[in-house]
Amino acid sequence: IAGITQAPTSQILAAGRRMTLRCTQDMRHNAMYWYRQDLGLGLRLIHYSNTAGTTGKGEVPDGYSVSRANTDDFPLTLASAVPSQTSVYFCASSDSHSGANVLTFGAGSRLTVL
Amino acid sequence: GNSVTQMEGPVTLSEEAFLTINCTYTATGYPSLFWYVQYPGEGLQLLLKATKADDKGSNKGFEATYRKETTSFHLEKGSVQVSDSAVYFCALRNSGNTPLVFGKGTRLSVIA
Repeated sequence: IAGITQAPTSQILAAGRRMTLRCTQDMRHNAMYWYRQDLGLGLRLIHYSNTAGTTGKGEVPDGYSVSRANTDDFPLTLASAVPSQTSVYFCASSDSHSGANVLTFGAGSRLTVL
Repeated sequence: GNSVTQMEGPVTLSEEAFLTINCTYTATGYPSLFWYVQYPGEGLQLLLKATKADDKGSNKGFEATYRKETTSFHLEKGSVQVSDSAVYFCALRNSGNTPLVFGKGTRLSVIA
């Protein structure tokens, strides 16, 4: 089934630990995104990539890094997790060359930092 | 900059009631406008879209009209069902390769 796969689904992590959230898409979309969702704040963009080999900062990039070595994968890394990074993380992708550029979302990764 | 403002929830309605969720936007240029829906425990999925002024997007009984004069894209449905209970997000994308900008979301609960 075409779409986006995120892993892990849920994770509890001690503060100070390193964590990588994985995201893989099989739709050959050129653009990929990481959002975090927090109650009362909606969805906020962390980082994005318009094409393999390039990345850009979103609204809340501090404490996160990404890489885009190929079209399909877009991992998000927390180098040293802090409790304020407790959130639900959504990966998304789109074909930005199409007219409306609609996003397809993964099911999310729930991260708790203690 | 670009921004989206939507009415705060939660919104609680009885089945078959009329729904309106207000959304207004600020943007340079001529953005495309979207409504996404998030059902419990799932990621967001596109509900409908409109790419230019006066366009009406529609899907699953929901409608929204792109009003440039009022910079609005209000979501409406004539008769809601319990299965419509979800969080609804208004969003815009400006021209070019820019990422989507989302509103904060409105939680809708429909009771039988």
